[in-house]
Amino acid sequence: GQSLEQPSEVTAVEGAIVQINCTYQTSGFYGLSWYQQHDGGAPTFLSYNGLDGLEETGRFSSFLSRSDSYGYLLLQELQMKDSASYFCAVLSNAGKSTFGDGTTLTVKP
Amino acid sequence: DTAVSQTPKYLVTQMGNDKSIKCEQNLGHDTMYWYKQDSKKFLKIMFSYNNKELIINETVPNRFSPKSPDKAHLNLHINSLELGDSAVYFCASGQRGGNTIYFGEGSWLTVV
Repeated sequence: GQSLEQPSEVTAVEGAIVQINCTYQTSGFYGLSWYQQHDGGAPTFLSYNGLDGLEETGRFSSFLSRSDSYGYLLLQELQMKDSASYFCAVLSNAGKSTFGDGTTLTVKP
Repeated sequence: DTAVSQTPKYLVTQMGNDKSIKCEQNLGHDTMYWYKQDSKKFLKIMFSYNNKELIINETVPNRFSPKSPDKAHLNLHINSLELGDSAVYFCASGQRGGNTIYFGEGSWLTVV
């Protein structure tokens, strides 16, 4: 089976940096993805890590440590529009994506 | 152009009814999914099809029956709806072996 843990809520102020952690227990691990979902919207893909290390995409970066079964999403220069839910998702080598329970990020002025 | 489209977007129905949600993707992907998101925003996979073949079937009641007439379509039929079926149902697609899932806009199902 697969299980993922991420914080349920995170609050930060505009312009700050926030890190959302994700730990997982899984068999057949292939990679870790991150998705963003605004209220009333669909989840949208942000980032993927198949190998250890940091992947950077603009203000967002994602990190993976396979040996620690751990990853994080780093959001820099926070903007109000970044207020959303963020999901980590484990991709198995069978092609199945299992999502964490999501982290609600609230960005305050 | 809508990549993954699903209809209807909103559905309110009574317990015991049967309803269907349709989904189509124009991305040329091999794999399609149905996910259920409950009121706590937990996103759980229900089914996955690859080229019309069922490859993932989570522990979903057999009242839920997916049908894939071709690799661009994956419909979801639900029999004998229950209150607990109220949720948002997301259709999604991706390339087989790919790391990105593309979600539709969701279908809000309310069972009363």
